[in-house]
Amino acid sequence: DADVTQTPRNRITKTGKRIMLECSQTKGHDRMYWYRQDPGLGLRLIYYSFDVKDINKGEISDGYSVSRQAQAKFSLSLESAIPNQTALYFCATSDLDDRGLNTGELFFGEGSRLTVL
Amino acid sequence: LAKTTQPISMDSYEGQEVNITCSHNNIATNDYITWYQQFPSQGPRFIIQGYKTKVTNEVASLFIPADRKSSTLSLPRVSLSDTAVYYCLVGDPYQTGANNLFFGTGTRLTVIP
Repeated sequence: DADVTQTPRNRITKTGKRIMLECSQTKGHDRMYWYRQDPGLGLRLIYYSFDVKDINKGEISDGYSVSRQAQAKFSLSLESAIPNQTALYFCATSDLDDRGLNTGELFFGEGSRLTVL
Repeated sequence: LAKTTQPISMDSYEGQEVNITCSHNNIATNDYITWYQQFPSQGPRFIIQGYKTKVTNEVASLFIPADRKSSTLSLPRVSLSDTAVYYCLVGDPYQTGANNLFFGTGTRLTVIP
């Protein structure tokens, strides 16, 4: 089983619908991230969380919200989906080293492909 | 954040050594250089990370000159399964309070039989 699991893997929805993408991890990492990937644009950071009570905006947070329900779960919501949110979404985690510092290595899920019509 | 520049794409024949260079002229003193590999329909996967000189692991080598304004990912004897997009990231992995790993557009490597 994958260490970082995303659901659903594929979703087609209509403009204006509320969509939730879920991410769960078994790695025991405190830090979790949501990225969006569009063709030709690489990956862009949407939100990130360093622990259950911590939520931070990334590069492109407008139109998105997140919830860190537990250490292992980090959900991304689109309150009212629009076509330009059609993209591949990735959840990732990272760990701290023995000194309590970020190791810099991200562990990604397999992605959730969202299509908004 | 240090901006990185990589070639958009590269082709190589099987069995050859591939070198992908990344420019990062504005790299900061505390920044490390990290490379990721991404196969189609999969999330990126960490390959290697370094600060200066040379780092080698079972997958690749990373060469960083003294001025650290560029770096080169070297893949020895590539196979068809190495066809992927390779991302160069520059940032301070030890910085707290913010995620400093931002992905650019990467280099699409195609290995030809």
